[in-house]
Amino acid sequence: AQSVTQLGSHVSVSEGALVLLRCNYSSSVPPYLFWYVQYPNQGLQLLLKYTTGATLVKGINGFEAEFKKSETSFHLTKPSAHMSDAAEYFCAVRILSGAGSYQLTFGKGTKLSVIP
Amino acid sequence: DGGITQSPKYLFRKEGQNVTLSCEQNLNHDAMYWYRQDPGQGLRLIYYSQIVNDFQKGDIAEGYSVSREKKESFPLTVTSAQKNPTAFYLCASSTRQGLTDTQYFGPGTRLTVL
Repeated sequence: AQSVTQLGSHVSVSEGALVLLRCNYSSSVPPYLFWYVQYPNQGLQLLLKYTTGATLVKGINGFEAEFKKSETSFHLTKPSAHMSDAAEYFCAVRILSGAGSYQLTFGKGTKLSVIP
Repeated sequence: DGGITQSPKYLFRKEGQNVTLSCEQNLNHDAMYWYRQDPGQGLRLIYYSQIVNDFQKGDIAEGYSVSREKKESFPLTVTSAQKNPTAFYLCASSTRQGLTDTQYFGPGTRLTVL
């Protein structure tokens, strides 16, 4: 079964420091992978996605993620944290449902705090 | 502007009452989804619909019902059979064109049972 594990429910970084949010996936087929961000009491916004091709994916707000098949990972990084990056981040993998359609299965989320 | 709207933003319900959450999209997307979000649990799929007049149960459909009479609309009814309905509910939509199936989300409805 395809699934996603996010390591660390809470991560704190200092402003200007590297942001690293970890995501490992389990998939029996080549995965399509997504990172979403959620600000308090709002919906989810797509940060970036990996489908095929280049394994280093650049997204919005300076974030990027690298697909590593050998490590079954899709970690999210940003070189320098900004106060506005404080939010909850969700990793997701596309799965094939029993009805023959595709769905997303989400990790439990990582809440990022940025310390001034 | 194209997007997904959910209403109301906050909803209060007494125990034993059914309540319907609205979700409308003007993105011309074929597929629509309902998720439930609880703290520390991520998003869990309630129902989804790939085309009008068709929908499938997700992982936690018990106590919920949906309809898809129009492409733009996918309302969710939380029935009195749902034992713990207090949660944040998110609606999403995606195009069926191509293979990426990127889902776009509405702003959510927070339901509280009093």
